[in-house]
Amino acid sequence: QITLKESGPTLVKPTQTLTLTCTFSGFSLASSGVGVGWIRQPPGKALEWLALIYWDDDVRYSPSLRNRLTITKDISKNQVVLSVTNVDPVDSGRYFCAHKDVTSVSNFDYWGQGTLVTVSS
Amino acid sequence: NFVLTQPHSVSASPGKTVTISCARSSGSIANNFVQWYQQRPDSSPTTVIYEDDRRPSGVPERFSGSIDSSSNSASLTISGLKTEDEADYYCQSYDSIVVFGGGTKLTVL
Repeated sequence: QITLKESGPTLVKPTQTLTLTCTFSGFSLASSGVGVGWIRQPPGKALEWLALIYWDDDVRYSPSLRNRLTITKDISKNQVVLSVTNVDPVDSGRYFCAHKDVTSVSNFDYWGQGTLVTVSS
Repeated sequence: NFVLTQPHSVSASPGKTVTISCARSSGSIANNFVQWYQQRPDSSPTTVIYEDDRRPSGVPERFSGSIDSSSNSASLTISGLKTEDEADYYCQSYDSIVVFGGGTKLTVL
């Protein structure tokens, strides 16, 4: 059974760096075809894809946020970490991590419950 | 990079059929698979259609997906609407990066 859970601070000050951790079980990021992505959702707004990391260390970033994002993986801990630098109130929202279906190019078939982040001074 | 455009909202009565469109701004809709996610209030998204027209196990046959190259768009059709189908629906595709549509709020009146 695949599960994912996001963790991190609930409140971050503007200009700080936000670091979120996705801890998962039921699969390994060392296995061919596996990927984990981060998606966020401001309150009452649409889903926005942020980043994706694959088993082979290939990483992809949203073009609009590329210079502020870093995604890494720790296979031994079954974790994926997302860092967002220089945060602003518009970065507030729920942040989800999701497992990319191994048999599909881009279907996210399992999602975490999300973690709510507020950026405010 | 391309944009996926969805109607902001659609509505229909229980038992009826509704179709939600997802138009791709550039590049062919047929070049990359499209997924559809359902998100109920205060819940995480779940896949209802993947790879254009495939249904995950557990998703009712009332949900179907298609693509139309002439309009360069994908569609999600839900037949026999139930009140439990009321949710936000997002299309998503991938062309070296992941792209989500802006979401459509489905109201079942």
